[in-house]
Amino acid sequence: DTGVSQDPRHKITKRGQNVTFRCDPISEHNRLYWYRQTLGQGPEFLTYFQNEAQLEKSRLLSDRFSAERPKGSFSTLEIQRTEQGDSAMYLCASSLEDTNSPLHFGNGTRLTVT
Amino acid sequence: ILNVEQSPQSLHVQEGDSTNFTCSFPSSNFYALHWYRWETAKSPEALFVMTLNGDEKKKGRISATLNTKEGYSYLYIKGSQPEDSATYLCAPESSGYALNFGKGTSLLVTP
Repeated sequence: DTGVSQDPRHKITKRGQNVTFRCDPISEHNRLYWYRQTLGQGPEFLTYFQNEAQLEKSRLLSDRFSAERPKGSFSTLEIQRTEQGDSAMYLCASSLEDTNSPLHFGNGTRLTVT
Repeated sequence: ILNVEQSPQSLHVQEGDSTNFTCSFPSSNFYALHWYRWETAKSPEALFVMTLNGDEKKKGRISATLNTKEGYSYLYIKGSQPEDSATYLCAPESSGYALNFGKGTSLLVTP
């Protein structure tokens, strides 16, 4: 069981720079989710894919955020022109398509914007 | 987006104490209720996925109940151990929407 992997584990960047994170889901999972977690909060939903289709995107997500899953396997999350408020843990999760399937999370990418 | 409330926000108990937390959610359009445990420096791990009103699930010393009519779930830990220290998250699932998590209950169990 290779689990969900995320890269990098940590990223420090200067305000205004672009960053990209990668998530490799469990191979047989066709759903992939991105969440963001800040101190004292639960994971906040950003977006999710079923295969290569992006089915839902949070209204809280600014235009600076974009996610792709071009071949229905790995996914990337890009943040353009980073701001200090973007500092957070970015979590990726995958699941089977069935309703009631639990999410399997990666270890996350910790972003610090200075 | 489903509004999810978890209480208490944090809890500190002694080893051997039993404890419980609450998750409240809207009862409309309900499909399932998920519970996750998130230990420091690890990724969130699924504990239970519950669907039916009156459902009760158990995993070792941890159990959960579900009331879909009134929109709440309880998580119980019997005889808490230091390794139970973690944040416990709940997330209701409704049709066509991704899981929306509560803020969690942070549990600290001291020897």
